[in-house]
Amino acid sequence: GAGVSQSPSNKVTEKGKDVELRCDPISGHTALYWYRQSLGQGLEFLIYFQGNSAPDKSGLPSDRFSAERTGGSVSTLTIQRTQQEDSAVYLCASSLTSGDQETQYFGPGTRLLVL
Amino acid sequence: AQSVAQPEDQVNVAEGNPLTVKCTYSVSGNPYLFWYVQYPNRGLQFLLKYITGDNLVKGSYGFEAEFNKSQTSFHLKKPSALVSDSALYFCAVRDQTGANNLFFGTGTRLTVIP
Repeated sequence: GAGVSQSPSNKVTEKGKDVELRCDPISGHTALYWYRQSLGQGLEFLIYFQGNSAPDKSGLPSDRFSAERTGGSVSTLTIQRTQQEDSAVYLCASSLTSGDQETQYFGPGTRLLVL
Repeated sequence: AQSVAQPEDQVNVAEGNPLTVKCTYSVSGNPYLFWYVQYPNRGLQFLLKYITGDNLVKGSYGFEAEFNKSQTSFHLKKPSALVSDSALYFCAVRDQTGANNLFFGTGTRLTVIP
């Protein structure tokens, strides 16, 4: 079946511009996570959505980062006024529920380069 | 608080030999542990997980992992390495204190030498 998809696969932008990254989770998965993978920082959690509940934004590094999840499905991560340190691979994952035992399935990621 | 340690940045093994990628953890509750593999320019692929039950967990591509509570370890193993196993491996523990996100180790790059 279809896995998690992300778009674009690559994004090059100039410092100060806004970018939007999209994630389509596996159909029927209620939980959706965004992570960032960068050199020197490893994989870090950014934000989490469960159903229609308010998102857990505890991992967002600054107020330039925000995310939405429309209709309990597609999610968009927005980075405003991008900085060079935002350059990283942004990974989206979904799971059937948010239970402790659930497996998270990852998309291929969006590679962001801020010049 | 939870933490995951992968003490080896790099592991090299000859094709056909057994491989081990090490992981130790620290959690405040029940340990829910995961292994993922990342091939170049790809996302993370799930290999296996430990939730409860048998300490030896079998996963994809012939990999297995042994949960050891007394040593707080969850080492990934494979009896006979393939060149195609060369990749970046991540151990992760579930963060049960907040968003239930995964908390990852720093990764171990496995190279299988032909």
